[in-house]
Amino acid sequence: AQSVTQLDSQVPVFEEAPVELRCNYSSSVSVYLFWYVQYPNQGLQLLLKYLSGSTLVESINGFEAEFNKSQTSFHLRKPSVHISDTAEYFCAVSLNDYKLSFGAGTTVTVRA
Amino acid sequence: DTGVSQDPRHKITKRGQNVTFRCDPISEHNRLYWYRQTLGQGPEFLTYFQNEAQLEKSRLLSDRFSAERPKGSFSTLEIQRTEQGDSAMYLCASSSGQNNSPLHFGNGTRLTVT
Repeated sequence: AQSVTQLDSQVPVFEEAPVELRCNYSSSVSVYLFWYVQYPNQGLQLLLKYLSGSTLVESINGFEAEFNKSQTSFHLRKPSVHISDTAEYFCAVSLNDYKLSFGAGTTVTVRA
Repeated sequence: DTGVSQDPRHKITKRGQNVTFRCDPISEHNRLYWYRQTLGQGPEFLTYFQNEAQLEKSRLLSDRFSAERPKGSFSTLEIQRTEQGDSAMYLCASSSGQNNSPLHFGNGTRLTVT
């Protein structure tokens, strides 16, 4: 079975500062990796995903995540955050494209 | 594309009562999923449908839970004889079913069992 550990439950950060959200997974086989974001009062939205190929994946709003097989990690980074990035972020792992195992989530609060 | 719609948004019920939730997926999405999210945790997979066929059920889905998708479009999730431990956010998602197509989630139904 796969599992995901998000090492930080809360991350406060100032606007325009960088942020890194840590995600480690465990699996005995190759997996797909995802980051989902949940803005206040909204549903989960896919932020980015790693399926194969380049280990660095990027989203349209400036986030990036790097798959590190040796460290079984898929950390999410953004070099400069905005107030609008305040949300809860979930890392997820899957053996296929329907059954996701999610981490407990990291709440990012961006302050001016 | 109006997104995945769930109804109701909130449901408060007394222990022992039955509840039913509805999910309308994005039109033409042939896969539909149910997840459950408790406070402080990430969503947990419950079950999924390919068209009208229920293809997998999690062990979390006790015999008090039943999900249907009779015409391959909307789905219902029924919980019989609710317990306080059933209090959670119930999330529905849909996808096109093409390889690695992303899941689109609804806003969820928050159930509180008193």
